[in-house]
Amino acid sequence: GQQLNQSPQSMFIQEGEDVSMNCTSSSIFNTWLWYKQDPGEGPVLLIALYKAGELTSNGRLTAQFGITRKDSFLNISASIPSDVGIYFCAGNTNAGKSTFGDGTTLTVKP
Amino acid sequence: GAGVSQSPRYKVAKRGQDVALRCDPISGHVSLFWYQQALGQGPEFLTYFQNEAQLDKSGLPSDRFFAERPEGSVSTLKIQRTQQEDSAVYLCASSPYRLAGGVSKKTQYFGPGTRLLVL
Repeated sequence: GQQLNQSPQSMFIQEGEDVSMNCTSSSIFNTWLWYKQDPGEGPVLLIALYKAGELTSNGRLTAQFGITRKDSFLNISASIPSDVGIYFCAGNTNAGKSTFGDGTTLTVKP
Repeated sequence: GAGVSQSPRYKVAKRGQDVALRCDPISGHVSLFWYQQALGQGPEFLTYFQNEAQLDKSGLPSDRFFAERPEGSVSTLKIQRTQQEDSAVYLCASSPYRLAGGVSKKTQYFGPGTRLLVL
């Protein structure tokens, strides 16, 4: 089946630093989604991308839908302690089913 | 308003036992999804309902897994004769939109999950 490769697997950064993570796939998706999951909770949508090349921001978060439709990245600027969590990318096909990456665990040191 | 709720939040089962996991979607949401999330991995699709119709069950790992949504609202995921490899978090998500070709812009709202441990 479709697989998403998400990297890095984990990141340890200082508060105030910028963060970048990405997802690649061997398959084409027509929507890319980025979620954050806190311990004991379900994923919460951060940013949705609908067109190849699209660059979208949500506060300190910026994400881009790759031109090839096989990749996406998420940047977090000026990280703060509450950014701690697991970030997942997900790709949707026309059928709407989501395929998730295995997550990037972010730790922010105050 | 109320989000997606799931119960129980935690379930410990002995191998071979049957379990039933409940999902209460957001009121009025047409679409309902079940996902399985193993430790350290992303959620994996199990099945999809549009109202009471189960339109996609391609992700169910075996015939021990069964899901239903008889009145198009609450859904139950049942696992028969549980095995240790069934240990995971089971996530439910709902959406106010139907899935159809090209309608992939619609987000899903996830519940907190049920953490199942099979001993």
